[in-house]
Amino acid sequence: QSALTQPRSVSGSPGQSVTISCTGTSSDVGGYNYVSWYQQHPGKAPKLMIYGVSKRPSGVPDRFSGSKSGNTASLTISGVQAEDEADYYCCSFAGSHTYVFGTGTRVTVL
Amino acid sequence: EVQLVESGGGLVQPGESLRLSCAASGYPFSSYWMAWVRQAPGEGLEWVANIKDDGSEKYYVDSVKGRFVISRDNAKNSLYLQMSSLRAEDTAIYYCATYIITATIDCWGQGTQVTVS
Repeated sequence: QSALTQPRSVSGSPGQSVTISCTGTSSDVGGYNYVSWYQQHPGKAPKLMIYGVSKRPSGVPDRFSGSKSGNTASLTISGVQAEDEADYYCCSFAGSHTYVFGTGTRVTVL
Repeated sequence: EVQLVESGGGLVQPGESLRLSCAASGYPFSSYWMAWVRQAPGEGLEWVANIKDDGSEKYYVDSVKGRFVISRDNAKNSLYLQMSSLRAEDTAIYYCATYIITATIDCWGQGTQVTVS
């Protein structure tokens, strides 16, 4: 049950694309297509942005996209906007009805 | 609209117990798994426990096994977390969350603060 590895921070200017990686193992990220991503603004509850690796819930802007290759999942924000500045966490099903979150990434819009 | 409201948090001393509650509304509570997720001050999210829709299956992160018990009352649309033998490292905001989307923690409450000191 070790946390998934994410970069501590990423940044980009408005309109640029930023990508956050989430690295796990074959027992979690690599073994299941149940990777989700959450956005968390300071003092707020997390909000689901991506589920099932690449699916977007209704209401989430289409500039948010997800993918996975092997044991690493990724979240891309295409055309980052000021309101996207927040912390982002990945989460993966890890078998036997357990889940593991990533270490979290701070996205800064320059 | 799904609404989850946690309560029961507070300040306790190491070794003491606390019971968190989560009142759910806006969806068929008894049809879905539920989870508790916590976030220590300045830290990331940690999945703590989950429980099957009918309460027959429960799973925990290793660090709370034997100390925390998750339960639910479907007649009251409520989720609970009984926490015993609390430690300083259990200090966190505790969130109640749903699994309406398969194998996905999707809707979250606003959280309740637990401080062990």
